[in-house]
Amino acid sequence: AQKITQTQPGMFVQEKEAVTLDCTYDTSDQSYGLFWYKQPSSGEMIFLIYQGSYDEQNATEGRYSLNFQKARKSANLVISASQLGDSAMYFCAMRGWYNNNDMRFGAGTRLTVKP
Amino acid sequence: DSGVTQTPKHLITATGQRVTLRCSPRSGDLSVYWYQQSLDQGLQFLIQYYNGEERAKGNILERFSAQQFPDLHSELNLSSLELGDSALYFCASSVDPGDYNSPLHFGNGTRLTVT
Repeated sequence: AQKITQTQPGMFVQEKEAVTLDCTYDTSDQSYGLFWYKQPSSGEMIFLIYQGSYDEQNATEGRYSLNFQKARKSANLVISASQLGDSAMYFCAMRGWYNNNDMRFGAGTRLTVKP
Repeated sequence: DSGVTQTPKHLITATGQRVTLRCSPRSGDLSVYWYQQSLDQGLQFLIQYYNGEERAKGNILERFSAQQFPDLHSELNLSSLELGDSALYFCASSVDPGDYNSPLHFGNGTRLTVT
């Protein structure tokens, strides 16, 4: 079974500062993909970044980077230089080689960027 | 814009009624996924179709059913609606359902309110 845990229901960050959103996962799959999505108040789910279980380098996409620590089974999202528009819910998710029929999501973290 | 189209955006109906939610996947995507997002349950996988065939079932109630048509659009049918069915229903699509490294691309969702 796969399980995603996001332990921070809410986070605050000052504009222009960096913030780390935590995500840990549990899976019996050896091969899997980890994903982060952003859900603004308007409701849509926006794909941000992906990390493969065999990738040795941490993924980066613009101001987003994924701090992947495989041994600890953690895949934290780092947002640099926060902007007011980053205020949203953020979901960590995974798909596994064995359980690839669906994507499992964590409970989410609500990020609020303060001006 | 993810390229996934969901209609309608909002739906208000009474208990006991039946509704149909519609989804058109991204061009080229053969697989469609349905998710339910409620406040207390988070994002729950309901069902997946690939090229017209049901591929996987998640936490889908017997009152709910879905299908994928030859043109690859999909419909989610919800019947005998209850107050607890009020939620945001997402459709997502991907090219290859077996590729665990691929993200799911989500539509903007249909917000269902049962009164």
